[in-house]
Amino acid sequence: GENVEQHPSTLSVQEGDSAVIKCTYSDSASNYFPWYKQELGKRPQLIIDIRSNVGEKKDQRIAVTLNKTAKHFSLHITETQPEDSAVYFCAFNFGTGNQFYFGTGTSLTVIP
Amino acid sequence: EAGVAQSPRYKIIEKRQSVAFWCNPISGHATLYWYQQILGQGPKLLIQFQNNGVVDDSQLPKDRFSAERLKGVDSTLKIQPAKLEDSAVYLCASSLVEGSQDTQYFGPGTRLTVL
Repeated sequence: GENVEQHPSTLSVQEGDSAVIKCTYSDSASNYFPWYKQELGKRPQLIIDIRSNVGEKKDQRIAVTLNKTAKHFSLHITETQPEDSAVYFCAFNFGTGNQFYFGTGTSLTVIP
Repeated sequence: EAGVAQSPRYKIIEKRQSVAFWCNPISGHATLYWYQQILGQGPKLLIQFQNNGVVDDSQLPKDRFSAERLKGVDSTLKIQPAKLEDSAVYLCASSLVEGSQDTQYFGPGTRLTVL
């Protein structure tokens, strides 16, 4: 399968601090990079995505940055809240089409 | 808008038994995916359908797993016979258009335990 690295695997932050999660991919043809949030026992839910024609996208407290040259993309959560605690997965498509790979996940804990 | 539906939600079987999972995607979604999520790992794509045709099944263990989407709507995933390592959550997802460049919506999953 395609190689994807996601770091860190666990992350604890104080409420109000920022959290950053990074993913590295290997296929230079990949052009779609979503991030999913999965709470315990629940389904993954899309929180933000970015396509290869832009370098950054922001939605309120969540942002994603993409560095196509270095083949990595990052999730940034600012002003973290306890309800942000969950496992976050990066994902990307292989080539420009149909195979879709997920990272290994980051367990984020926001301490009140 | 109704979401992706899956059943059953939980299933416990013994190894070497057979099991089937059902998925109903969001109405109008042409693409359907089955993923396997082992505890502590990210979802792994097993098979992708575009309408009733298979687009990709390269990671499906075809000696024991099979899937179909006969009328291009509902889909079933079957394991026969099951092994201990098949214990996982099986997630179904759907997207509106062809390919991975469209948002995938996940169902609640079926948690399979093989004893």
